[in-house]
Amino acid sequence: TQLLEQSPQFLSIQEGENLTVYCNSSSVFSSLQWYRQEPGEGPVLLVTVVTGGEVKKLKRLTFQFGDARKDSSLHITAAQPGDTGLYLCAGGRGATNKLIFGTGTLLAVQP
Amino acid sequence: DTGVSQNPRHKITKRGQNVTFRCDPISEHNRLYWYRQTLGQGPEFLTYFQNEAQLEKSRLLSDRFSAERPKGSFSTLEIQRTEQGDSAMYLCASGVGQIYGYTFGSGTRLTVV
Repeated sequence: TQLLEQSPQFLSIQEGENLTVYCNSSSVFSSLQWYRQEPGEGPVLLVTVVTGGEVKKLKRLTFQFGDARKDSSLHITAAQPGDTGLYLCAGGRGATNKLIFGTGTLLAVQP
Repeated sequence: DTGVSQNPRHKITKRGQNVTFRCDPISEHNRLYWYRQTLGQGPEFLTYFQNEAQLEKSRLLSDRFSAERPKGSFSTLEIQRTEQGDSAMYLCASGVGQIYGYTFGSGTRLTVV
């Protein structure tokens, strides 16, 4: 059972374009984290959001946690080839705060 | 201490053999997680340690899988009688709490032939 659905699954854009990735669930999470993963490597943490409605900015990346803590979005402004990778959202659940990962969005930014 | 270290990076084994993977977390991190990731999917939770105590195991973790974290330091994940379906990337992550996020290792890629 996939608790977190990401859309789109694949995205190929030109350098300089903007994009938004969505992460949706019917479940409430105690936190929402975004990771970026390159082939053959482990995920690398981009951001953690814990408060409903929270917005965090990391240079050209803007992350938002939904008011009800069930969904999140990642917006990238002026994408660059270095942004290419698999973007994963992950929600914290349960007493152990284990992460439930989304289905992933594979982004390719063409120069 | 530059991050989470996993060994080996790659392992090819014959079906039916046992394999063991090692994870060395960031030293001050009391939380340690194991995940499994197959191609095109997000990682799936396997098990969680807080210090040396194994506090949660996924139903994905069959009886052939066992994990330890002696003295709350490094952790090992053993798979007995490997099957082709065990082929995956096995990831280890450590942290001190969800608000700080978790640091993942580079993973161990297991191929069962």
